[in-house]
Amino acid sequence: DAGVTQSPTHLIKTRGQHVTLRCSPISGHKSVSWYQQVLGQGPQFIFQYYEKEERGRGNFPDRFSARQFPNYSSELNVNALLLGDSALYLCASRSDSGLADTQYFGPGTRLTVL
Amino acid sequence: AQSVAQPEDQVNVAEGNPLTVKCTYSVSGNPYLFWYVQYPNRGLQFLLKYITGDNLVKGSYGFEAEFNKSQTSFHLKKPSALVSDSALYFCAVRPLNQAGTALIFGKGTTLSVSS
Repeated sequence: DAGVTQSPTHLIKTRGQHVTLRCSPISGHKSVSWYQQVLGQGPQFIFQYYEKEERGRGNFPDRFSARQFPNYSSELNVNALLLGDSALYLCASRSDSGLADTQYFGPGTRLTVL
Repeated sequence: AQSVAQPEDQVNVAEGNPLTVKCTYSVSGNPYLFWYVQYPNRGLQFLLKYITGDNLVKGSYGFEAEFNKSQTSFHLKKPSALVSDSALYFCAVRPLNQAGTALIFGKGTTLSVSS
């Protein structure tokens, strides 16, 4: 089975622009989470979606938004990009088989804001 | 605030020697605990997790981790290191006293195994 896929792999934007990142979960997984990993730090939680509903939100400004589609894929949108938004954006999916199930991560999208 | 600490930025070991990567956490209640590994320009790969039960958890690629409730630690170990184990390792916790399944990560420890 395919793992979590993300697109694009790399992206270069300028300050003030908008960006959309995409994620397809592992087949059968209904929960998708987004994380931001700034160079030299651990990933930070941005959003979790389950069955198209937001189930959790991290400490990020309203410029960050997300949604989940009926096929459980997800988009992360970031408006009015700042230099500090440059990071690796990771998507993770998990099944709903139980509270203890594992999150599996995609390869990430490297966003550079100039 | 809930947090995860990985006190060592880098751990250096010789191939064939045992390795330990340390992790402590400050989270209320009994969280779920995870270790992930990240290779250059790659996402995170799951290694192992502790949910409940035996304090020694075995995972992928010969890694294991020891949970210590009194010390709130979850150290990653391997009896014999390989050069191919060189990578960035993250400890993560999932608090159970909050909605959702967000993970809190440490800042990571770079493991360097020399031949």
